[in-house]
Amino acid sequence: AAGVIQSPRHLIKEKRETATLKCYPIPRHDTVYWYQQGPGQDPQFLISFYEKMQSDKGSIPDRFSAQQFSDYHSELNMSSLELGDSALYFCASSNLGQLNTEAFFGQGTRLTVV
Amino acid sequence: ELKVEQNPLFLSMQEGKNYTIYCNYSTTSDRLYWYRQDPGKSLESLFVLLSNGAVKQEGRLMASLDTKARLSTLHITAAVHDLSATYFCAVDFGNEKLTFGTGTRLTIIP
Repeated sequence: AAGVIQSPRHLIKEKRETATLKCYPIPRHDTVYWYQQGPGQDPQFLISFYEKMQSDKGSIPDRFSAQQFSDYHSELNMSSLELGDSALYFCASSNLGQLNTEAFFGQGTRLTVV
Repeated sequence: ELKVEQNPLFLSMQEGKNYTIYCNYSTTSDRLYWYRQDPGKSLESLFVLLSNGAVKQEGRLMASLDTKARLSTLHITAAVHDLSATYFCAVDFGNEKLTFGTGTRLTIIP
């Protein structure tokens, strides 16, 4: 079965650079979530989209932005990168219109800022 | 404040032993999820618990949900080394996102 696909899997950037992370949800899933997980930390919710509209926003820095496109894939744009942005970034998708839905996570993008 | 707490944070146990991980949450919810994460890897869905009294079992793992007590447990029976991982519970507080617990890092010692 198709899973959530994230790209790239690994990314190394220098301070003050920008990065774009991509997420392709499971087909027919209408909701995408972005989470950030620092070393030894639990995943922290950043932002979510339902049917291409932003549905909720968590502790996402103003330097970050995200959007969901007409094909339901999503991109997380990160600017003016800081060392503290180094983390695993997970995308998850679900189908909120379906009873008993659950969120499925992608493999993550490991971002290292040097 | 919407909070999810797990305990213990770290757990070392010998193979063959039984143990329970606890997940408490701060306000009403009847949607709770358990995930497993290996180091540097993604979050693997283990259980979806959607009602009070729900109990699900898969192999040596069994999860339950008590919505009145706002408590879920993940019970490990006769642990084996392959179960070493970090286990997260996550709660849907009705705001269309998951709030994760702090995680329990489980190490099974041969």
